[in-house]
Amino acid sequence: NAGVTQTPKFRILKIGQSMTLQCTQDMNHNYMYWYRQDPGMGLKLIYYSVGAGITDKGEVPNGYNVSRSTTEDFPLRLELAAPSQTSVYFCASSPGTGGVGYGYTFGSGTRLTVV
Amino acid sequence: DAKTTQPTSMDCAEGRAANLPCNHSTISGNEYVYWYRQIHSQGPQYIIHGLKNNETNEMASLIITEDRKSSTLILPHATLRDTAVYYCIVRAYYGGSQGNLIFGKGTKLSVKP
Repeated sequence: NAGVTQTPKFRILKIGQSMTLQCTQDMNHNYMYWYRQDPGMGLKLIYYSVGAGITDKGEVPNGYNVSRSTTEDFPLRLELAAPSQTSVYFCASSPGTGGVGYGYTFGSGTRLTVV
Repeated sequence: DAKTTQPTSMDCAEGRAANLPCNHSTISGNEYVYWYRQIHSQGPQYIIHGLKNNETNEMASLIITEDRKSSTLILPHATLRDTAVYYCIVRAYYGGSQGNLIFGKGTKLSVKP
């Protein structure tokens, strides 16, 4: 059981380039999330999805886009990369309606550097 | 913003109990207390959660005060592998945006030989 898989693990982008961070889960979880973590800081929620076809903004959505065409996949798109987007990105999923006892499962992260 | 307050860092001797405090004075009736930890840049890992009763699992114990304004995570016999950042999070029962996990800076626990 792979859990939550993120690719790539590392990436260096030039300013203005675009890329897609991939996230897939094999647990049939309805809820999926994208967080970013800057050095020495906690995680900040970028976007989340409560099911296929439904997405919503989190705390820091500017500069990002998401889509959720299937239950398994929740890609994060960066358009026109900026140095401020240098961070570690974590994808997570949770089952059911996000209720009690359903802890999040996190991926291992994508470390992105924009130069 | 995170609804919890935690010390920035703590030390613990290997083999001793680690007691990590958390203040959540504005917690509401439908919010649970969750604890996660993050070991050196890995993805956060779920530890335990509770509403008002004390809880215990194979990883830790959670003690919540009667007024629910604070809690303590207890690692009964800390090992070097427990060195991590520990996050205390209050989270609503139901889904939607109020059910999302909001992370603060957490407590960096260093377990020393």
